[in-house]
Amino acid sequence: QVQLVQSGSEVKKPGASVKVSCKASGYTFTSYDINWVRQATGQGLEWMGWMNPNSGNTGYAQKFQGRVTMTRNTSIRTAYMELSSLRSEDTAVYHCATTLGELLFFDYWGQGTLVTVSS
Amino acid sequence: DIQMTQSPSSVSASVGDRVTITCRASQGISSWLGWYQQKPGKAPKLLIYAASSLESGVPSRFSGSGSGTDFTLTISSLQPEDFATYYCQQANSFPLTFGGGTKVEIK
Repeated sequence: QVQLVQSGSEVKKPGASVKVSCKASGYTFTSYDINWVRQATGQGLEWMGWMNPNSGNTGYAQKFQGRVTMTRNTSIRTAYMELSSLRSEDTAVYHCATTLGELLFFDYWGQGTLVTVSS
Repeated sequence: DIQMTQSPSSVSASVGDRVTITCRASQGISSWLGWYQQKPGKAPKLLIYAASSLESGVPSRFSGSGSGTDFTLTISSLQPEDFATYYCQQANSFPLTFGGGTKVEIK
């Protein structure tokens, strides 16, 4: 079955960077884009960007341009999202998500990774 | 960016009730609209895609309608497991955007 398993919670200081991983199984990793969506506590969902695991091509929301980097290691079927210059407002649960179709609706999600930014 | 506005932000309902949630896009998005259900501490679950297509395994009491700028999610007979927060999402253009959510609570 399709699974996306993410790395564990992180606590970072303001100004630091965090790198979250997302390991895929149950499908051909290089065939479908990985997207990242975050959710601050008690808040709504915010799309951050996408990455094509085959080509490495990426597309980021304007809000995160210059601070986010999405990469992958195809040999271990893992996608990464790195966010730099962290501030308290970046405290949130970060999810990877994908779809095994052509449409931009996400039918598979990682369990989420809590990133806490605190001094 | 396309803004997605959901209403109401919360609704209190009883088991067996019919519940309707509305989502409005700031510009036309054809039928590129999805609905998700999220329970506390869990990832969102896709219910409806392309405005009215039921995701595999989702009960038929969930239905979606609409096109252009106005969309609706209907739960025909609310069940205990349906108490959750529901989000709409547009897939017409980047950046993908979500509505603010509608919390369905027990009356």
